[in-house]
Amino acid sequence: AQSVSQHNHHVILSEAASLELGCNYSYGGTVNLFWYVQYPGQHLQLLLKYFSGDPLVKGIKGFEAEFIKSKFSFNLRKPSVQWSDTAEYFCAVKTYYGNNRLAFGKGNQVVVIP
Amino acid sequence: DAGVTQSPTHLIKTRGQQVTLRCSPKSGHDTVSWYQQALGQGPQFIFQYYEEEERQRGNFPDRFSGHQFPNYSSELNVNALLLGDSALYLCASSFVRDSQETQYFGPGTRLLVL
Repeated sequence: AQSVSQHNHHVILSEAASLELGCNYSYGGTVNLFWYVQYPGQHLQLLLKYFSGDPLVKGIKGFEAEFIKSKFSFNLRKPSVQWSDTAEYFCAVKTYYGNNRLAFGKGNQVVVIP
Repeated sequence: DAGVTQSPTHLIKTRGQQVTLRCSPKSGHDTVSWYQQALGQGPQFIFQYYEEEERQRGNFPDRFSGHQFPNYSSELNVNALLLGDSALYLCASSFVRDSQETQYFGPGTRLLVL
């Protein structure tokens, strides 16, 4: 079964700082990749997704992620964070064939200080 | 266009009891997946329903069962509740014939077992 690793579970940074969250997965075949965000008191929302094509994916709210196949990684980035980016961020992986489940990482709790 | 809805929002049960959670998928979606999210963890896949049948199952005991109705809504049943079943239960819906199948999540039902 595939596993998903997210490091630095708690991240604290100031407004305007850059954010990068790492995501590594263990499956060697074709994958679909997702980042979800959970704002305080709200439900999981899709931030961005990768299925194929350009490995640099742009999502909502200025977020982007880069798929590096050789490193089994799908890191999330934002050049300049805002206080409203305070949330928990989850990376999720779905394998392409015969498996419709999402495997999630443990999440990154991000706190942005005004 | 309503998103994924779940009921109830919160539930308190005692050990040994049984619980039923409900989910209505996003309009146009035909597939429902259930996840368990323990505190401080990422969601864990329980099972997925499509065409009123369980299509895939994660590593959960038979105490966890489900059902999908002709209108695509779904129920999750948990029998003989244990303290460790306390968690946020998430429902996600998707459209299986979409080549870029993406799961959209509901707000969840928070279950507390005493």
